Amino acid sequence: AQSVTQPDIHITVSEGASLELRCNYSYGATPYLFWYVQSPGQGLQLLLKYFSGDTLVQGIKGFEAEFKRSQSSFNLRKPSVHWSDAAEYFCAVRRAAGNKLTFGGGTRVLVKP
Amino acid sequence: ETGVTQTPRHLVMGMTNKKSLKCEQHLGHNAMYWYKQSAKKPLELMFVYSLEERVENNSVPSRFSPECPNSSHLFLHLHTLQPEDSALYLCASSQADREGTEAFFGQGTRLTVV
Repeated sequence: AQSVTQPDIHITVSEGASLELRCNYSYGATPYLFWYVQSPGQGLQLLLKYFSGDTLVQGIKGFEAEFKRSQSSFNLRKPSVHWSDAAEYFCAVRRAAGNKLTFGGGTRVLVKP
Repeated sequence: ETGVTQTPRHLVMGMTNKKSLKCEQHLGHNAMYWYKQSAKKPLELMFVYSLEERVENNSVPSRFSPECPNSSHLFLHLHTLQPEDSALYLCASSQADREGTEAFFGQGTRLTVV
């Protein structure tokens, strides 16, 4: 069975500082990988996705993520955080065939002025 | 209207009530999902419909009853719920088995059972 781990439940970062959110997955083959963001009381918005090809993917809002097969990781990064980036971030995986999207537990990001 | 729309956005119901959550997608997708998001718990996949057939039911109690009358609409019928069922219920849609597809989410229904 596939699983996703986000080791950090909360992260606090100063505005303008860099941000990195960790995601590790467990799956026999390379799955499809996603990062979503959720603002309070809202649904989930896709930030970026990886299926194949270049292991560094660019997303919306200045985010990027790097797929590392050897580490089964798909970490999300942003060079300079804005106050509006305060939200909860979810990593998710999906098998190459099939519909099931499995989510990690989420990381809540707080941004200090 | 585009995307995935959920109604109502907020719902308060007693344990003996019957209510329904509605989800509509305008993306031409053929798969729809219900997720439950509780405080301090990961997102839980409840049901998956693909081509209007239920393909997954993750041991959800029978007090939750999904219905997918067509590929654009998904309902979650609720009856005799418990306080622990209070949560944010998220609907999503995707194009089933198409490489490169992601799920699109609605804004959710915040359910409070009193």
